[in-house]
Amino acid sequence: DAKTTQPTSMDCAEGRAANLPCNHSTISGNEYVYWYRQIHSQGPQYIIHGLKNNETNEMASLIITEDRKSSTLILPHATLRDTAVYYCIVSPYSGGGADGLTFGKGTHLIIQP
Amino acid sequence: GAVVSQHPSRVICKSGTSVKIECRSLDFQATTMFWYRQFPKQSLMLMATSNEGSKATYEQGVEKDKFLINHASLTLSTLTVTSAHPEDSSFYICSAREGGLGAGYTFGSGTRLTVV
Repeated sequence: DAKTTQPTSMDCAEGRAANLPCNHSTISGNEYVYWYRQIHSQGPQYIIHGLKNNETNEMASLIITEDRKSSTLILPHATLRDTAVYYCIVSPYSGGGADGLTFGKGTHLIIQP
Repeated sequence: GAVVSQHPSRVICKSGTSVKIECRSLDFQATTMFWYRQFPKQSLMLMATSNEGSKATYEQGVEKDKFLINHASLTLSTLTVTSAHPEDSSFYICSAREGGLGAGYTFGSGTRLTVV
């Protein structure tokens, strides 16, 4: 799997948009960008994923650069409950779901009141 | 959405005993499930891939005789930590993927194992 680089930690004020960057300069053509978050002592929670187009769901937006070498996860209106470690992962899509995920260190996002 | 249930959430066992952790996909069938381990202040590490009806695939450095995986049905995988030792104390997490395009991985809530 391609490696990702994320800042170790970030702060964001409550109510503001949180923009979490991820660098994946060695991503392959068949690899998707996945974002997960983990709140302390819980299992990771799926947020969003994409291949090359920008994606949006009820939780977040994912902006992928045209060359696919980096992406940004946007939480539009951060709340205190969004404090967590956010993982950006690239992984090939396998229709049979045969590939586990390789987690890096992630970004510890702290939402400040 | 897809739900993965993991049980127990916490377990304390004595050194030398075995512990079984269950992982169930509640509303979908999963031919493949994954087991991860997470030590304090570290990231998740993939331990093994559990395949329904066949042997699990273990990552390098994971002892298959110590971490027994059984995936007997399309909705249940179990991880048994045999002859547990204090260094096996960790947070164990399972995950599964509902098939089809656009499917992300769903994770269980994790099991905190403490070996005393």
